Amino acid sequence: SAVISQKPSRDICQRGTSLTIQCQVDSQVTMMFWYRQQPGQSLTLIATANQGSEATYESGFVIDKFPISRPNLTFSTLTVSNMSPEDSSIYLCSVVGLAGEVGVYNEQFFGPGTRLTVL
Amino acid sequence: DAKTTQPTSMDCAEGRAANLPCNHSTISGNEYVYWYRQIHSQGPQYIIHGLKNNETNEMASLIITEDRKSSTLILPHATLRDTAVYYCIARTGGSQGNLIFGKGTKLSVKP
Repeated sequence: SAVISQKPSRDICQRGTSLTIQCQVDSQVTMMFWYRQQPGQSLTLIATANQGSEATYESGFVIDKFPISRPNLTFSTLTVSNMSPEDSSIYLCSVVGLAGEVGVYNEQFFGPGTRLTVL
Repeated sequence: DAKTTQPTSMDCAEGRAANLPCNHSTISGNEYVYWYRQIHSQGPQYIIHGLKNNETNEMASLIITEDRKSSTLILPHATLRDTAVYYCIARTGGSQGNLIFGKGTKLSVKP
């Protein structure tokens, strides 16, 4: 299995500022994703973090608002830019495809999440 | 990926079996049924998955109907710590794409 850590675990920010969330995995993985979970809601995919190239964003999410980096196979960052209270959510990092894993099934692992409150 | 339908909420008495249903009537032949759960304020946790045979692990059992249009997750002896939102997801087994989450079932285990 993969162990995923996220920093910070929670933060309270002022509107108009930006916050960068870090995701570190203890092993190399093929795919890394960022999800958002708004209060009382299910998880929504923001984007797929691609190593060495621009992230692939889902409908409704744009790079200017949620810039993502993935410099290697174990690390990614998500920045929430120019924050507003509507950005208050839990942001989760997720990974699929451990290096060396074979077979038809690829388990998806999730980090503990970063709880963001924007005032 | 096929759409899944789950009840919004369920209650279960502590120590009894919790049976969580899921409908996936449009599931295709190469799609697996995955179950995850999310305990309050934590990231989702993998429980079990299956294609067409029933599966069991240390956490739960998964019963898939012969026509694969529905399944049931069984927690044999529910504890208070099993209170969580349970998500049933259909996805191609070989895919390295992301899981698409529905609203899930909020299971409340009561003493």
